[in-house]
Amino acid sequence: DQQVKQNSPSLSVQEGRISILNCDYTNSMFDYFLWYKKYPAEGPTFLISISSIKDKNEDGRFTVFLNKSAKHLSLHIVPSQPGDSAVYFCAASEGAGSYQLTFGKGTKLSVIP
Amino acid sequence: SQTIHQWPATLVQPVGSPLSLECTVEGTSNPNLYWYRQAAGRGLQLLFYSVGIGQISSEVPQNLSASRPQDRQFILSSKKLLLSDSGFYLCAGDGFYNSPLHFGNGTRLTVT
Repeated sequence: DQQVKQNSPSLSVQEGRISILNCDYTNSMFDYFLWYKKYPAEGPTFLISISSIKDKNEDGRFTVFLNKSAKHLSLHIVPSQPGDSAVYFCAASEGAGSYQLTFGKGTKLSVIP
Repeated sequence: SQTIHQWPATLVQPVGSPLSLECTVEGTSNPNLYWYRQAAGRGLQLLFYSVGIGQISSEVPQNLSASRPQDRQFILSSKKLLLSDSGFYLCAGDGFYNSPLHFGNGTRLTVT
């Protein structure tokens, strides 16, 4: 049973445009959500997180939106840059304890110059 | 900041051979440590986590085991590898309750 779903395995976006990566979850107990970015042959790196008490968190070009009623979150990257090309993983937990993280399968973003 | 060291970066092993992957942590004391695996076309699957020396919790029953002989050392092992053990193995750690997980650069294991 996949509790965190990233239904788009890949996404291509022109440089300078907005990238929107989506994530859905089924476990209503999840209340802390994270996005990780992964380059080939490297470990994932933390990008941004959001707690369920918020519906938006922004960090520079990256914004995460949370819709608790729809059990949906999204990552917006504006403007997209070629260096953003990577695999993005959505993760969720019941509370902020890391060992509870459940990851999605990832979405491969390609930003075309 | 916290650094997670993993080696080797790539490994090719025959079926039935043993495995030992080592992970060490710098920059924090008493971290929670984790082993994840990313198999082809799948997300990151938590295999083991450890909250302290000698304390191991297994999330998925399998052919693998983990040990934590020292505070900053976490080892993933197998006595006999299976083809299905192929994948990308990631060690991760956190030092504080609210800190995000920090990952090492992983080991690409191919079992032939």
